[in-house]
Amino acid sequence: EVQLVQSGAEVKKPGESLKISCKGSGYSFTSYWIGWVRQMPGKGLEWMGIIYPGDSDTRYSPSFQGQVTISADKSISTAYLQWSSLKASDTAMYYCVRRDYDSSLGLDAFDIWGQGTMVTVSS
Amino acid sequence: QSVLTQPPSASGTPGQRVTISCSGSSSNIGSNTVNWYQQLPGTAPKLLIYSNNQRPSGVPDRFSGSKSGTSASLAISGLQSEDEADYYCAAWDDSLNGPWVFGGGTKLTVL
Repeated sequence: EVQLVQSGAEVKKPGESLKISCKGSGYSFTSYWIGWVRQMPGKGLEWMGIIYPGDSDTRYSPSFQGQVTISADKSISTAYLQWSSLKASDTAMYYCVRRDYDSSLGLDAFDIWGQGTMVTVSS
Repeated sequence: QSVLTQPPSASGTPGQRVTISCSGSSSNIGSNTVNWYQQLPGTAPKLLIYSNNQRPSGVPDRFSGSKSGTSASLAISGLQSEDEADYYCAAWDDSLNGPWVFGGGTKLTVL
């Protein structure tokens, strides 16, 4: 079964650092882009950035550039999203997603979603 | 404020047909394909429609998508109570907004 399994919920204080993970299984991890999507409480979806584990090529949304770091360790089929200094406004659910892309089919979509990691930042 | 514009809410009665619109611009919907995602209460989103009008395996044919110019629509026919969810459109954006942008989401209520 193709799936993305994320790390568990986190409760942190402002200023602390954090790294959450997303482990892929059931497919060739290095052949698909992995992205991150934020959903603040009661709000919609926001695309944050994406990485290609095969060569670590990474792209960020302008809104999140410099605010987070996306990385991947292909040896253990895991992608990461990290913060160096959390803020209360980082409180949200974070989803990792797999990008399924096939230009011949006109396909470019996030076909697999992780279960989400809730991050709560509060003093 | 989302780059793609959706109505915040929609509603219908069981068996009815409802449509949800998604408006964009030439840099996103106007030049790229549209995907739709369904988020049931308390769960992760799921891909519902890709490439404007294609359904992944397992998605009922009650769900259909279309695109015209810089707008797209999701239609749900034979509405069922289990369709009550949030629906999001998304597209690649060629401008500095992207490369991917989402709509603000539409909460569908089955009356």
